[in-house]
Order: sequence, then structure tokens, then C-alpha cells
Amino acid sequence: DARVTQTPRHKVTEMGQEVTMRCQPILGHNTVFWYRQTMMQGLELLAYFRNRAPLDDSGMPKDRFSAEMPDATLATLKIQPSEPRDSAVYFCASALAGGTGELFFGEGSRLTVL
Amino acid sequence: GQNIDQPTEMTATEGAIVQINCTYQTSGFNGLFWYQQHAGEAPTFLSYNVLDGLEEKGRFSSFLSRSKGYSYLLLKELQMKDSASYLCAVREGGYQKVTFGTGTKLQVIP
Repeated sequence: DARVTQTPRHKVTEMGQEVTMRCQPILGHNTVFWYRQTMMQGLELLAYFRNRAPLDDSGMPKDRFSAEMPDATLATLKIQPSEPRDSAVYFCASALAGGTGELFFGEGSRLTVL
Repeated sequence: GQNIDQPTEMTATEGAIVQINCTYQTSGFNGLFWYQQHAGEAPTFLSYNVLDGLEEKGRFSSFLSRSKGYSYLLLKELQMKDSASYLCAVREGGYQKVTFGTGTKLQVIP
């Protein structure tokens, strides 16, 4: 059963701490997206990758956020230092470019920064 | 960039039909998705349109007019389990960036 796997599912941390979220895309998918969801803003695109190369990270606060794909089976989103306003659910989604290219979402990482 | 608009909330009665509209502005349209998201869960794929017209899939249909920058999701024979948020998303450009609207929260009442 192919699915996108995200860890951790829940994270509570204190302001100023580093947070790393991980995503394993569906095997064979070549596009990975990171989204942040809050009640007020909905799903915001933070960054996305094609064949591990970053295509667009304009939605990401550059001073504290970074996104990478060390290999085809792992995408990471790091926040350093974290702030209370970063509290949200972070979703990773993967897709296969071409055809419908529908996005398959992981279950999300719920982050609370105190 | 793009702008995607959907109604924030809608209420409909069990067994009825509801239409959720989405308008968008984009510089390089490359397809439109509809996703369903139940509270506390991840979005799940419902439909995809890239050409004008209606796509039907069971109780759900989605329509697209590219010239008008308009789409709608039609849900028939509403069930209580259809209470969820419905997200319109537009794919644009050669790099196929996918941007979501803020979603429409649908409440189905008995």
C-alpha cells in the first residue's frame, strides 16, 4: 500500500528550538511538496522539488526555514529557531509529474511551539 | 502568482445536491484539482480537470471553464459523511506548481 510517510506526527517544542520534519515520498514519485496549514491561511505552499532539485521555495521564510532532499526517499523541512507563529500542521505530498500528477498527502506533522 | 477564491462555508441537507464554486487567476494554467479534507486528516484527491467540460465520478462531478477561470464541484445525494472541507487547487507553469485555495467547509445536516 503505497503512501507518503511523515515523522513526527506530533511535536511540541519551546520557542528557539530546532525542529526537523521528515517525509518519505511514494516510491517512484519525482515531485515532493511541503505545505503548511493553519485555520487562517489554509494550505500554503512552502517549497517543492522535482527529481530532488528545489524548484520554488518562495513561500518559505528563508531566515529560519530550510528544505532539502538528501536522496529520493527523504525530504526534510527544518525550522531553526522555531517561533510560536510556526505552530501549524505541516504536510508533505508527492506526485509523479505527467498525466494527472495528482498529489498524495502524508498524514501531516502537527507542530506546537510554546 | 495566482489567486484562488472559494466560499468559506456552505450548508446543505442530506440527500440534496450542492455546488461548490472556485474561481482562479493564473498566468500559466496547467490543470485544476479538487480535494476533500475531513477534520484532522490529510487532503484526499477527488478530481482533476485540464480541459473544459464536466468530469463525472460517481456522486461527484467537477466542471472547468478555462476561459472564465472557473470550476465547480458538484456533490449529489449528499451523505452525512460528506461533511468536510473541499479544496480547489490550481497547477501552473512548466514546473507544475500546485497552489490551494483556502477551502470550503461543507456541513451536511439531516
